[in-house]
Amino acid sequence: AQKITQTQPGMFVQEKEAVTLDCTYDTSDPSYGLFWYKQPSSGEMIFLIYQGSYDQQNATEGRYSLNFQKARKSANLVISASQLGDSAMYFCAMREVSSYDKVIFGPGTSLSVIP
Amino acid sequence: GAVVSQHPSRVICKSGTSVKIECRSLDFQATTMFWYRQFPKQSLMLMATSNEGSKATYEQGVEKDKFLINHASLTLSTLTVTSAHPEDSSFYICSQGGDSSVETQYFGPGTRLLVL
Repeated sequence: AQKITQTQPGMFVQEKEAVTLDCTYDTSDPSYGLFWYKQPSSGEMIFLIYQGSYDQQNATEGRYSLNFQKARKSANLVISASQLGDSAMYFCAMREVSSYDKVIFGPGTSLSVIP
Repeated sequence: GAVVSQHPSRVICKSGTSVKIECRSLDFQATTMFWYRQFPKQSLMLMATSNEGSKATYEQGVEKDKFLINHASLTLSTLTVTSAHPEDSSFYICSQGGDSSVETQYFGPGTRLLVL
């Protein structure tokens, strides 16, 4: 069964606008972590932001913020003031303590920023 | 932050040959490292967990005799694709092992393998 779902295969956003990339997850582990990564065409995985299951506040890192809704098991990424360099694949990932801290990935969302 | 390197960055080989990919942790001791494979326009799929000083743990459906993993030291894990075939052509990427106390998970730059 798919543990991480990203329902948007592709997204477009106008430069300087904000965009939300969706991620829902499935776990029964009370202790887990959620990640977002950016993968440009070069292939490197760029760590963006992390949210722990016990964190009370939503994580923020510069223009990135994570809208964490634990009861709904969603962890959407919000990118504010989009830039052309934000065009890339974005992956949501989860790490579960009960799974020996393995990190598994969602299918990804391709984001294109339009000038 | 943790730095992970991979070598080579890309390799082209003939069908039937074996290819070794190295993953090094540059500023931390890694008792575990993860190996992923990514086909074009797909997500990263976890292949195996590399364990220092012991056998790797493979995910369901991954042939352990095909993808040999060695983790002989705390800074080096290697993945050998044995008797490579064109369907093994992919992007292979390693990452530092999981640690639930750490709020990051760093990846190597990846290795593009093309089997002719």
